[in-house]
Amino acid sequence: KNQVEQSPQSLIILEGKNCTLQCNYTVSPFSNLRWYKQDTGRGPVSLTIMTFSENTKSNGRYTATLDADTKQSSLHITASQLSDSASYICVVSAITGGGNKLTFGTGTQLKVEL
Amino acid sequence: EPEVTQTPSHQVTQMGQEVILRCVPISNHLYFYWYRQILGQKVEFLVSFYNNEISEKSEIFDDQFSVERPDGSNFTLKIRSTKLEDSAMYFCASWTALNYGYTFGSGTRLTVV
Repeated sequence: KNQVEQSPQSLIILEGKNCTLQCNYTVSPFSNLRWYKQDTGRGPVSLTIMTFSENTKSNGRYTATLDADTKQSSLHITASQLSDSASYICVVSAITGGGNKLTFGTGTQLKVEL
Repeated sequence: EPEVTQTPSHQVTQMGQEVILRCVPISNHLYFYWYRQILGQKVEFLVSFYNNEISEKSEIFDDQFSVERPDGSNFTLKIRSTKLEDSAMYFCASWTALNYGYTFGSGTRLTVV
């Protein structure tokens, strides 16, 4: 069964600090791995997308890494801001007969405080 | 930037009633999806739709659920007889194989009372 596990479940950091979120997955056949940011009551918004051959991808203050051998990914957020408070979800994509099917992790709830 | 539009943003319905959730996918996308997220839980796949038919569905997507693309722009999810446990955020998404883009709508919060 395809699964995506994330840690920590929740995290509180001070504004301006960095943090790293972790993701482990067992999804087959693997197509790509995405990190999404989801504000409460809103749809997920894509931060990064990485294919099998990519091991790092940046989007502003967000940097994602992927180790396809160990099936692990991380999302590093630098110089955090209050607006970074949200759920960060690791999502792994498999190309199936249904097109591009996503398996979602449970997310890391990040809170940035003053 | 193109968006996936969902309506309504919030729907309250009585148990046993039928509801239709509406979505307008991105116009040149070919694959359409419904996902749901029960409060406090992770997003779960419901169904994918391609070429005017269901291409894949999860075990959640039972006979109470149906999807339709009644015209060239709308994509709907119907729940025939709602149950309390259907209360969730329902997200529509669309995708094209031309790139890795996968766009979600803002969701419809369904509350069954």
